[in-house]
Amino acid sequence: EAQVTQNPRYLITVTGKKLTVTCSQNMNHEYMSWYRQDPGLGLRQIYYSMNVEVTDKGDVPEGYKVSRKEKRNFPLILESPSPNQTSLYFCASSGSSGSSSEQFFGPGTRLTVL
Amino acid sequence: RKEVEQDPGPFNVPEGATVAFNCTYSNSASQSFFWYRQDCRKEPKLLMSVYSSGNEDGRFTAQLNRASQYISLLIRDSKLSDSATYLCVVNDSKENTGFQKLVFGTGTRLLVSP
Repeated sequence: EAQVTQNPRYLITVTGKKLTVTCSQNMNHEYMSWYRQDPGLGLRQIYYSMNVEVTDKGDVPEGYKVSRKEKRNFPLILESPSPNQTSLYFCASSGSSGSSSEQFFGPGTRLTVL
Repeated sequence: RKEVEQDPGPFNVPEGATVAFNCTYSNSASQSFFWYRQDCRKEPKLLMSVYSSGNEDGRFTAQLNRASQYISLLIRDSKLSDSATYLCVVNDSKENTGFQKLVFGTGTRLLVSP
């Protein structure tokens, strides 16, 4: 089944404890992206990657890092999480960065930073 | 001004009703437009693309007015299963990268009751 998977789905952590949220897709997509979703603010892009070893900042990159060593994986790293990073996070992939290409989203990771 | 604006709702309608959602966007250079559907606590999924001439998919009709920078979604004969949040999505372009970024509205919530 074609899908985007994320782990963990739920995480409660404390300020400053490094964490990684994994994202993997099995559709051989070139383009992957991370979003956070907060009430009243909608989905905001954190980072994106157009291909292996090619990543760039989205609209809200502060406090996050990413890597794209393999085509299928695009982990999101929070080196020192803070409470304002409490949010619902979605990973997405698409076959190209073209504007007409559908984005497929993972099931989401609900993160709480205490 | 937000790049993509939607009425947050909620829109409460009875089964069988016709309901319309509107969306305005600020970037006149945008070329591609979409409606995504998001169920509570789930990931967004593409509902339909929006074409210049307007397009229909079963009970759903999407319209685009480039002059007014306005997009609409009409749902006829509402079903209970249509209850969800509908996200208006517009492409944007990153300078000098050729990368097309998607900008999401905050969504309009629809509640269909028996």
